[in-house]
Amino acid sequence: AQSVTQLGSHVSVSEGALVLLRCNYSSSVPPYLFWYVQYPNQGLQLLLKYTTGATLVKGINGFEAEFKKSETSFHLTKPSAHMSDAAEYFCAVSYNQGGKLIFGQGTELSVKP
Amino acid sequence: GAVVSQHPSRVICKSGTSVKIECRSLDFQATTMFWYRQFPKKSLMLMATSNEGSKATYEQGVEKDKFLINHASLTLSTLTVTSAHPEDSSFYICSVAGGLAGNTDTQYFGPGTRLTVL
Repeated sequence: AQSVTQLGSHVSVSEGALVLLRCNYSSSVPPYLFWYVQYPNQGLQLLLKYTTGATLVKGINGFEAEFKKSETSFHLTKPSAHMSDAAEYFCAVSYNQGGKLIFGQGTELSVKP
Repeated sequence: GAVVSQHPSRVICKSGTSVKIECRSLDFQATTMFWYRQFPKKSLMLMATSNEGSKATYEQGVEKDKFLINHASLTLSTLTVTSAHPEDSSFYICSVAGGLAGNTDTQYFGPGTRLTVL
């Protein structure tokens, strides 16, 4: 079965430090790839997505992710963490347009002052 | 993107009652909507795919008679939790596939509805 793995259920960084959230998927067929952010008691907000084209994708709030087919990965990065980045982050994949999303387990990002 | 609303944002009900949750696509017509359930500190679990004008497609293990889904128009889908019990307490989130740009490869999510069954 296709799956998405986010390494680390909880990541803690200092304000101003690099943010790296890992995501791997388990398919030989490249999927559509997404990162969503969820703040407490809210829905999910799309950070960025990869469908086709350039493998380095830039999203909102200074986040970016790189699709690496050889590693079946789509890790999320941000050069400098802000306190406002503290939230739950979900990696997700789908295999057809308008199709169901398969979510990773989520990674809670904490940012220390 | 797409703007998605849910109503109510929070509901508390007694065990045995039914609760209806609305999901609206505010700025474009959504052929397909999805309903998810999220437990505390957990990821989203897809419950069903809602297609306008046809019956919803439920995921394995989801009771279709308990979680009634109606997608009567291109801007509204409803989820009714029938005869709710405390174990149905959860955060319910809907999403729509697409947006003004017509990119059906992306899902946009509503703000969620917190259901508490006493």
